[in-house]
Amino acid sequence: DAGITQSPRHKVTETGTPVTLRCHQTENHRYMYWYRQDPGHGLRLIHYSYGVKDTDKGEVSDGYSVSRSKTEDFLLTLESATSSQTSVYFCAIRDKYDEAFFGQGTRLTVV
Amino acid sequence: GENVEQHPSTLSVQEGDSAVIKCTYSDSASNYFPWYKQELGKGPQLIIDIRSNVGEKKDQRIAVTLNKTAKHFSLHITETQPEDSAVYFCAASNTGNQFYFGTGTSLTVIP
Repeated sequence: DAGITQSPRHKVTETGTPVTLRCHQTENHRYMYWYRQDPGHGLRLIHYSYGVKDTDKGEVSDGYSVSRSKTEDFLLTLESATSSQTSVYFCAIRDKYDEAFFGQGTRLTVV
Repeated sequence: GENVEQHPSTLSVQEGDSAVIKCTYSDSASNYFPWYKQELGKGPQLIIDIRSNVGEKKDQRIAVTLNKTAKHFSLHITETQPEDSAVYFCAASNTGNQFYFGTGTSLTVIP
């Protein structure tokens, strides 16, 4: 699993509440990514990071923010959760060979 | 940006037969093409990849081919087994940049 841990693994939250998902890696990889996976859409990039405090938007970044204050942690925040953000969220790292490895995912339900 | 299309979306084969999944990409700058297998409830797992300076790569029963001129690449699984049943994703990337994923192929191997 390339030393990637996502937390929590499952979460149910109410519309309008803030939610933070955490991705933790143990191997000092520079690149980290947050994807969401929805039926019929595959994996879509939300945000990514190329170093501490260096982040950029992906194709579906609206309603999400990220932070990376340490190499090992990449946080995804939903400022005010909506039902359209119900999804499975995956964190990934990119190693020095360009290979990407994924965490086990976080299933988020917004009710 | 890059656009990756993947076909078919579903594929059923008899055990022992071959399975082929095809992807096309749009950005000629893409130079790295990984394939992922995702089992139910798990994160995508890298199974094989190919770089733009190679036309074909094999690893036991799986192989990937790349046609840079036509901008398409394919995954070939021979002698399929029930444990090959999963969702497969292709992706394209330019070194150091984000990954762009296809929408996935659900492969069912019928015993």
